[in-house]
Amino acid sequence: EDKVVQSPLSLVVHEGDTVTLNCSYEVTNFRSLLWYKQEKKAPTFLFMLTSSGIEKKSGRLSSILDKKELSSILNITATQTGDSAIYLCAVVRVQGAQKLVFGQGTRLTINP
Amino acid sequence: NAGVTQTPKFQVLKTGQSMTLQCAQDMNHEYMSWYRQDPGMGLRLIHYSVGAGITDQGEVPNGYNVSRSTTEDFPLRLLSAAPSQTSVYFCASSYSSTGGWTEAFFGQGTRLTVV
Repeated sequence: EDKVVQSPLSLVVHEGDTVTLNCSYEVTNFRSLLWYKQEKKAPTFLFMLTSSGIEKKSGRLSSILDKKELSSILNITATQTGDSAIYLCAVVRVQGAQKLVFGQGTRLTINP
Repeated sequence: NAGVTQTPKFQVLKTGQSMTLQCAQDMNHEYMSWYRQDPGMGLRLIHYSVGAGITDQGEVPNGYNVSRSTTEDFPLRLLSAAPSQTSVYFCASSYSSTGGWTEAFFGQGTRLTVV
């Protein structure tokens, strides 16, 4: 059975801290891994990772995929209160059609 | 360009009632899908469609029905609502389901309560 596991499930830090969110997967026919940020409503796209070892960056956020370890991390540096959200990891598997398998999400809270 | 539009935003149903959640996208995406989100469980795939006239089941299809008569619309029907279907429902769409993946674009969600 396909599985995507995120850790920690919940994290509370102070503004300015650096955080690392983890995502590990056991998925057959892996194609890519995606990170989403979910505030009050719909998840919004952050990164898509297909190749191992290549870091994707956007401002204070960065992510990297390790296909050998079947995992990915999402780093956020110099956190701000606006980074408070649920961060979702999802893996694209291809078996006939492509499907997204989501992890449970990490709830990140940034305190001022 | 509205993206993915879901209606209604909120709904309360009585056990046994039926209803349809609407989803429409204006991006000419082939691939559309429905998810439900429950606390601590992430998003789980209910049904998906790779194009007009083609639908298939996801992880948790029981109690739900879908159809795809046009590229733009992908409604989700609850046949006989049960309290276990209380959840937040998201519709998503993306580009081609075969040649390559792009990120899924999500609707704003429907919060459904079954009493």
